This record gives sequence, C-alpha cells and structure tokens, in this order.
Amino acid sequence: DVKVTQSSRYLVKRTGEKVFLECVQDMDHENMFWYRQDPGLGLRLIYFSYDVKMKEKGDIPEGYSVSREKKERFSLILESASTNQTSMYLCASRTGGHLLNTEAFFGQGTRLTVV
Amino acid sequence: DAKTTQPNSMESNEEEPVHLPCNHSTISGTDYIHWYRQLPSQGPEYVIHGLTSNVNNRMASLAIAEDRKSSTLILHRATLRDAAVYYCILKPAGGTSYGKLTFGQGTILTVHP
Repeated sequence: DVKVTQSSRYLVKRTGEKVFLECVQDMDHENMFWYRQDPGLGLRLIYFSYDVKMKEKGDIPEGYSVSREKKERFSLILESASTNQTSMYLCASRTGGHLLNTEAFFGQGTRLTVV
Repeated sequence: DAKTTQPNSMESNEEEPVHLPCNHSTISGTDYIHWYRQLPSQGPEYVIHGLTSNVNNRMASLAIAEDRKSSTLILHRATLRDAAVYYCILKPAGGTSYGKLTFGQGTILTVHP
C-alpha cells in the first residue's frame, strides 16, 4: 500500500517559533503537495514540488517555505509561527510525468496549534 | 480553473444507494472529473475519475452527463463507513498543473443506520 506519513498528528508551538512539518512517501512519487484545511475555507494549496529541489507556490504561500532535498521527503516550514497558522496541514503525493490523472495519496494530517 | 457546485449535505440510510450530484457547467473539453472523499479525522482519499464515459470501480460508479456539464457519484449500497465529505474536482489533462487539486466545499454525506 502507498503510504504518505506525516511526522506528527498533533503539534503545539509558540508564536514566533520556527516549525517544521515533515512528510515522507514510499512510492517514489515525483509530485508532493502541502495543503491546509480550515473550517469554512476547505483545503487550500500552500506549496508543491515536482522534483527534488524544485518547488512552486500554491494559492497561499505567504508565511511558509518548503524543502525537498530527497525525493521521498517534503518539508513545510513555518519561519515564524503565528496564531493564524493554527490549522490542519495535509501532505499529498502522486506520480508525475505525463500521467496527470493518477490519484493523489494523502497523509493523515497534522493538527498544528500556535499559542 | 473551472468550478464545481455540490449540495452542502445529503443523507442516506444504510444499505441504500446514494447519488451525489456535481454541476460543472464551465468544464472544458480536456478536464477530467475526479472524486475524493474525506472520512472524519483523516486525509482525503481518491474515489474515482472519468472524462466522458461512465466509470465503475470497487468503491463507486461515476455517471457523466452527455454534455459533461454535470456528473453523479453513485455509492451502490451505503455503509456507515461511507459517511464523509465528498469532493468533486475538475483536473486539466495537461499543462503545468502537476496534478494539483483544487477543493471546493464538498458534500457532507450522513448515513443513518
């Protein structure tokens, strides 16, 4: 089974802290994505990566950065956490190339609370 | 990206069929129709996708209107485990989308025992 694993299910951080959310996939997928999910706003794309060291901004990249040093790992970084970044964060991966209609696989999510 | 419209919520009884509608009147000729669902406290999971013809898999069926302006996800016998938020998503077939998914609000499906 394909697995997308997020390092933490729940996380509590203080305002101003640098926060790392880690995501690992085991299916050699080229494309990886970070979303956040908020009540009433649905899932929104923060960043995505289509190859090692390659990244593209999504719809709401402000306040976030990402890192993809290895194909299987995609990290979301909150440079200086703020309370409005309290949210559920979801990582996804899918195979890339010309197979644009293959399914995406999601992790279980990390519920981040910034206090 | 073309938009989809889904009812906010629907209810069903266990072991009855469920038809979840989706309107996408501005769909382009190369947009695929994807369905994902999100069970409580989990990440979304893929259900099914199609372009023009009806599609079946072990989870569900997808019926696509002839003009492609609407589609219906069919769960043949709902179970309590099917209670989830169902998302209908349009995905361009090419370009530089890299398979990004744009989620709407989805339909909350409640299944009664």
